[in-house]
Amino acid sequence: GNSVTQMEGPVTLSEEAFLTINCTYTATGYPSLFWYVQYPGEGLQLLLKATKADDKGSNKGFEATYRKETTSFHLEKGSVQVSDSAVYFCALANTGFQKLVFGTGTRLLVSP
Amino acid sequence: NAGVTQTPKFRVLKTGQSMTLLCAQDMNHEYMYWYRQDPGMGLRLIHYSVGEGTTAKGEVPDGYNVSRLKKQNFLLGLESAAPSQTSVYFCASSYSSQGARNEQFFGPGTRLTVL
Repeated sequence: GNSVTQMEGPVTLSEEAFLTINCTYTATGYPSLFWYVQYPGEGLQLLLKATKADDKGSNKGFEATYRKETTSFHLEKGSVQVSDSAVYFCALANTGFQKLVFGTGTRLLVSP
Repeated sequence: NAGVTQTPKFRVLKTGQSMTLLCAQDMNHEYMYWYRQDPGMGLRLIHYSVGEGTTAKGEVPDGYNVSRLKKQNFLLGLESAAPSQTSVYFCASSYSSQGARNEQFFGPGTRLTVL
């Protein structure tokens, strides 16, 4: 079946540090891949997505590239801010009806 | 434009009690979803709806029922609450299931505790 594996957190960084959150997936066919972000006390928001191999999704300085050969969709940001502190979820949706399959989430803590 | 709203925000139930969670969206979306979020398990789909009057089971439907009598509302019911249903519940909606308009918009969540 479809599944998503994320690195366990929390990830603790200082402001302006480089961020990588690893995400790998198992799926049949050619899924779409997503990163969602959940700020404290809020629901999830779509951060970025990629729908086919080698696509790069980007938003708010975050980037992730759909790597079919390594079944990965790692999230990166060159310089994190305190306001980026949140929980980040990697997710996939297979072709057809878009049922999202989520990873377990990675908490990011950024200190000044 | 409020987006997706959920009521209530918090609720404490005793085992065996019943309750209904209400989700409302004002974006004219066709698709609506109910998820539960548990520590270390991410979000899991409970039930979903592809349009007014339709519902379908997701990954973890047991112990829950849903109704979509109006396009803008999606209700999640617990007929006889159990401690295993202690969780945070999120509602989401999307315009379509595929293509550029398949983004799911999430509500703020309902934290439910069953004693």
